[in-house]
Amino acid sequence: KAGVTQTPRYLIKTRGQQVTLSCSPISGHRSVSWYQQTPGQGLQFLFEYFSETQRNKGNFPGRFSGRQFSNSRSEMNVSTLELGDSALYLCASSPGSNTLNYGYTFGSGTRLTVV
Amino acid sequence: AQRVTQPEKLLSVFKGAPVELKCNYSYSGSPELFWYVQYSRQRLQLLLRHISRESIKGFTADLNKGETSFHLKKPFAQEEDSAMYYCALSGQAGTALIFGKGTTLSVSS
Repeated sequence: KAGVTQTPRYLIKTRGQQVTLSCSPISGHRSVSWYQQTPGQGLQFLFEYFSETQRNKGNFPGRFSGRQFSNSRSEMNVSTLELGDSALYLCASSPGSNTLNYGYTFGSGTRLTVV
Repeated sequence: AQRVTQPEKLLSVFKGAPVELKCNYSYSGSPELFWYVQYSRQRLQLLLRHISRESIKGFTADLNKGETSFHLKKPFAQEEDSAMYYCALSGQAGTALIFGKGTTLSVSS
């Protein structure tokens, strides 16, 4: 059973540009969540999608957006990149309608560097 | 609002010593609590969840609702336990999984 796949693994972008990251959850998983991981702040919740609908949203500016497709694959987009957006972006999938009893399975992440 | 606090950024112990990684939470309802671990150059992975009352790799964690804590314990640390440990909380069904900032455990011989 394939795990959670995130592409690309590494990205270097310039300030002001935009970027799209992709996540393919484990087959059959319907919930996908995105997190930003930095050394200083740890794991910060961005948003969660379930059945193509954004179910939860963290405290990030509107430059951060996402979507989920009918096959549960998800993308997140960051527009007008800032230096502070440099981080490891993690995607996690869960099989059910909530995290109870399941927990999440994480991907390896996309390392975004903004220069 | 949900909040998870891990007061220690770094915990250094010697091999064979007991380990306790602290986690305190803030949530008005009945939370679901988890511990995740990230070994060097590996993915973040689920270590244990309080509803399972399980022991994984010798680690246990007990939910103390009175003290709003979910500390992770192991009686005898091993060098392979060295990793970053995250405590996480989920509220009622359908709410997000929120993480603490993590504690780095370093076990030396």
